[in-house]
Amino acid sequence: DVKVTQSSRYLVKRTGEKVFLECVQDMDHENMFWYRQDPGLGLRLIYFSYDVKMKEKGDIPEGYSVSREKKERFSLILESASTNQTSMYLCASSPQGAGVSQFFGPGTRLTVL
Amino acid sequence: GQQLNQSPQSMFIQEGEDVSMNCTSSSIFNTWLWYKQDPGEGPVLLIALYKAGELTSNGRLTAQFGITRKDSFLNISASIPSDVGIYFCAGQRMNRDDKIIFGKGTRLHILP
Repeated sequence: DVKVTQSSRYLVKRTGEKVFLECVQDMDHENMFWYRQDPGLGLRLIYFSYDVKMKEKGDIPEGYSVSREKKERFSLILESASTNQTSMYLCASSPQGAGVSQFFGPGTRLTVL
Repeated sequence: GQQLNQSPQSMFIQEGEDVSMNCTSSSIFNTWLWYKQDPGEGPVLLIALYKAGELTSNGRLTAQFGITRKDSFLNISASIPSDVGIYFCAGQRMNRDDKIIFGKGTRLHILP
């Protein structure tokens, strides 16, 4: 059974803190993605990665960075959390190639106070 | 970035009714996907469509890949309480990378 796991379901941080969101997949997928989901805005792509140590900016990368040191793990980093980064963060993975489906983790609901 | 136009934004229906929602785009897509998200969970893939005109079913769910490659619809027949959630369409464009573009979702509410 395919599995994407995220390190926390709920997280509360203070403004200015450095925040790490971890995502691990066990399907040997090449591609991994980080989205944020906000009411009325749907899913917006923050960053994605096609391979180890490789990263590409998505539609809203500002205020975020990522790290992919191992194939199965993709980390999202908020260098200095701000209140407008309060959101639901979703990680996804997919095998390489056109026409492929993405598999999602359960999400991390981050609140920045 | 580009977004798909998904409608309706929300629906209130009676249990047992059929449901229909759709997605349109100004661009051609080579793959259409439909996901469902339960409250507090990540989206789960329901149906994937790979060919124009393709009609695919998954239990009470049926989805079609539009002939023009610019639209798709999802039907749910005889709705039940566990169908409540947000349904997202998603598409992958022709000759693009592996990124997927998502609609903003249709929130389905079922009245007893």
